[in-house]
Amino acid sequence: AQTVTQSQPEMSVQEAETVTLSCTYDTSESDYYLFWYKQPPSRQMILVIRQEAYKQQNATENRFSVNFQKAAKSFSLKISDSQLGDAAMYFCAYQGNDYKLSFGAGTTVTVRA
Amino acid sequence: KAGVTQTPRYLIKTRGQQVTLSCSPISGHRSVSWYQQTPGQGLQFLFEYFSETQRNKGNFPGRFSGRQFSNSRSEMNVSTLELGDSALYLCASSLANRGGYEQYFGPGTRLTVT
Repeated sequence: AQTVTQSQPEMSVQEAETVTLSCTYDTSESDYYLFWYKQPPSRQMILVIRQEAYKQQNATENRFSVNFQKAAKSFSLKISDSQLGDAAMYFCAYQGNDYKLSFGAGTTVTVRA
Repeated sequence: KAGVTQTPRYLIKTRGQQVTLSCSPISGHRSVSWYQQTPGQGLQFLFEYFSETQRNKGNFPGRFSGRQFSNSRSEMNVSTLELGDSALYLCASSLANRGGYEQYFGPGTRLTVT
């Protein structure tokens, strides 16, 4: 079974600054997908960014980017120019050949004005 | 295009009762997955259906069951409710029958067992 580990329960960032969230995973599969989801207080899960394991290029979506290190099985999320609306719980998720998402425990991001 | 809808949004049940939760996926989506979210266990996969067939099942007891209808709507049922079943139940739908496609989540059903 795949395990996803997020070692930072909470992170705090000043508005307009940058914060990086860590995620590591364990798998024996060679082909898989990685995701970061955001869950604000409304509880609505929202996809932030997606990375295909076969792609070496790191994914980027506006202010969100990842650092994907396949050999190290590491998948960190960088939020640049943090905004108040970025405050939420962020989940790292793994999807392998069985289609299901395996989530990490989550990191709560607080943005200070 | 309408998003994933889940009904009911909130539910209070008594131990020993059973409950049925409903999920309507985005139009055209044939894959529906269910997840349980609790403070202690986090987000855990329950099961996934594609074209009315259960393709995958998580490590939950047989009290948890589900099904998918021909219009892709899905239901999950929990029988003989226990206090530990109190959770947010999230449904997610996806377009494709292979990995990598975004799973769109519904707002969830908050189940409280007393």
